[in-house]
Amino acid sequence: QLQLQESGPGLKKPSETLSLTCSVSSGSVNSRSYHWGWIRQPPGKGPEWIGSVYHHTGTTYYNPSLKSRVAMSVDASKNQFSLNLTSVTGADTAVYYCAKARSLVPSWFDPWGPGVLVTVSS
Amino acid sequence: EILMTQSPATLSASPGERVTLSCRASENINSNLAWYQQKPGQGPRLLIYGASTRATGIPVRVSGSGSGTEFTITISSLQSEDFAVYYCQQYNNWPLTFGGGTKVEIK
Repeated sequence: QLQLQESGPGLKKPSETLSLTCSVSSGSVNSRSYHWGWIRQPPGKGPEWIGSVYHHTGTTYYNPSLKSRVAMSVDASKNQFSLNLTSVTGADTAVYYCAKARSLVPSWFDPWGPGVLVTVSS
Repeated sequence: EILMTQSPATLSASPGERVTLSCRASENINSNLAWYQQKPGQGPRLLIYGASTRATGIPVRVSGSGSGTEFTITISSLQSEDFAVYYCQQYNNWPLTFGGGTKVEIK
């Protein structure tokens, strides 16, 4: 059964770049059947979709509210995909999740990783 | 962007009760709606997609209905493991959007 695991620093300072990685096991990031997403959830709030990447075509879709600061990529050699978010502020404090979705169409997510809490504070 | 509104924010119920949670979309999303369950410290778990199709391993006491802009998820007889927060998500259009959640708590 495919599993996902997020990794990255738990604390960032304002204006820094947040970099997270999602490791995929029992499945391939190269699959034409899936795309890969990042979703975040500020404390006590609902989830917010950040963006999605489809490795087969290199296509990405980003949330317009974050588009100017977000980049996602896939490293097939490591079976991982990653998220970079620049110029972070306290509003970026959240639990960040990676998840699998259907091939590049708008889709539900299943499964999700356990999440990693990122706090932005000086 | 499609706005997803869930109600109520909190629902208090007893084990064995039947509960219905609502989700409204700001525009027509056809049947492109998913429901998730989230417990403290865990990532969301997919329950329903296509508005009414149960995900693998989801018990039959959980059912979804609706289309267009109005959707519901019903748990026919609450079990202890059902006390959690529930979210809806539309996937009719980019950007994908989620509701603010309904917390089902023990009465």
